[in-house]
Amino acid sequence: AQRVTQPEKLLSVFKGAPVELKCNYSYSGSPELFWYVQYSRQRLQLLLRHISRESIKGFTADLNKGETSFHLKKPFAQEEDSAMYYCALSGTGAQKLVFGQGTRLTINP
Amino acid sequence: DTEVTQTPKHLVMGMTNKKSLKCEQHMGHRAMYWYKQKAKKPPELMFVYSYEKLSINESVPSRFSPECPNSSLLNLHLHALQPEDSALYLCASSSSVTSTDTQYFGPGTRLTVL
Repeated sequence: AQRVTQPEKLLSVFKGAPVELKCNYSYSGSPELFWYVQYSRQRLQLLLRHISRESIKGFTADLNKGETSFHLKKPFAQEEDSAMYYCALSGTGAQKLVFGQGTRLTINP
Repeated sequence: DTEVTQTPKHLVMGMTNKKSLKCEQHMGHRAMYWYKQKAKKPPELMFVYSYEKLSINESVPSRFSPECPNSSLLNLHLHALQPEDSALYLCASSSSVTSTDTQYFGPGTRLTVL
């Protein structure tokens, strides 16, 4: 079974501080991991996916298979980063996307 | 056109009504999805269509009936719903059902069942 855990429902940091949103997963095969973001009054959209190994809006995420984690990091938070962040997993060969419970990130000025 | 559109934005219906939700994309995507999202919860997959054929049904009650009339359109027919079916219904599409493909989400239809 696929499972994604985001331990923090709420996370609040000050502007300019580093931010890390945690994501752990459970899956017996090789997972595809994603971070989706939902800004206020906007639709859910992809932030980044592990297969691309890219940095979007200063965010990065590294897949750690040993710790079954895919934490999202940004060295210097900005106010526009305030949003709801979902970690999601897709199993090998299938597009059944399973989402974590989400972390609401608030960046304080 | 690089967006998934959904109509209507809001829908209020009684338990005896029949209504439909509509989703459209013109990105040439061949996989389309319906999700249900309750307040303060993540989206939960309901159905997956691949090349206009239903490929995944996540044990959704039969009062929800999906339909994919062509590669650009996805409908969700609603009948005899219950108040607990009130939620945001999201449509998404991807170029295929490969696990690495990005899903593009619509803005959702907010459904209230009275």
